[in-house]
Amino acid sequence: QVQLQESGPGLVKPSQTLSLTCTVSGGSISSGSYYWSWIRQPAGKGLEWIGRMYTSGSTNYNPSLKSRVTISVDTSKNQFSLKMSSVTAADTAVYYCARVTGGGYYDYWGQGTLVTVSS
Amino acid sequence: QTVVTQEPSFSVSPGGTVTVTCGASSGSVSTSYYPSWFQQTPGQAPRTLIYNTNTRSSGVPDRFSGSILGNKAALTITGAQADDESDYYCVLYMGGGVWVFGGGTKLTVL
Repeated sequence: QVQLQESGPGLVKPSQTLSLTCTVSGGSISSGSYYWSWIRQPAGKGLEWIGRMYTSGSTNYNPSLKSRVTISVDTSKNQFSLKMSSVTAADTAVYYCARVTGGGYYDYWGQGTLVTVSS
Repeated sequence: QTVVTQEPSFSVSPGGTVTVTCGASSGSVSTSYYPSWFQQTPGQAPRTLIYNTNTRSSGVPDRFSGSILGNKAALTITGAQADDESDYYCVLYMGGGVWVFGGGTKLTVL
């Protein structure tokens, strides 16, 4: 059974860089044809797709966040990561990682981690 | 960027049927948008109900079904139960590797 777990600082100062990691267990991040994705949800609001990384390492990002976001993978640790620069209070949200198949099936989700941007 | 729209809220009686829709500002939604549907209760991660328009995720009751209705993707709950009271989200593939979520629909069962 594949499991995903987000981790990282729960508090980030404005203008700094948010860094989160998603650890994958129960399967190799480098095998199969999957998109390793990040989604976020501000409190009381809807889901927002941030971006994804394919098993090959290629990436796609939400156009509205593209200039500030980088998704990368560390296959040795079976982890993929999200970095978002120049954060503001508007980036305060629960951040989820998810695995997505080539057919668009969001088959596994992490439990989510709350990141608050505040001084 | 394309905006994906859903009804903000819906109410259904227990045992009733409700259809939530998912439209795109870019035009008609088709199977090429690979619509998926998610259920979310407070404090929980989303749960995938439907993917690729009409394929139910493992363990999802068959009272949940997906389709294309007119120019939108649709999620239909037939025989609604009290524990179906949740937020429901759709997501559409816009091409170029980009997905966009709908704003969500709050379903009340009463």
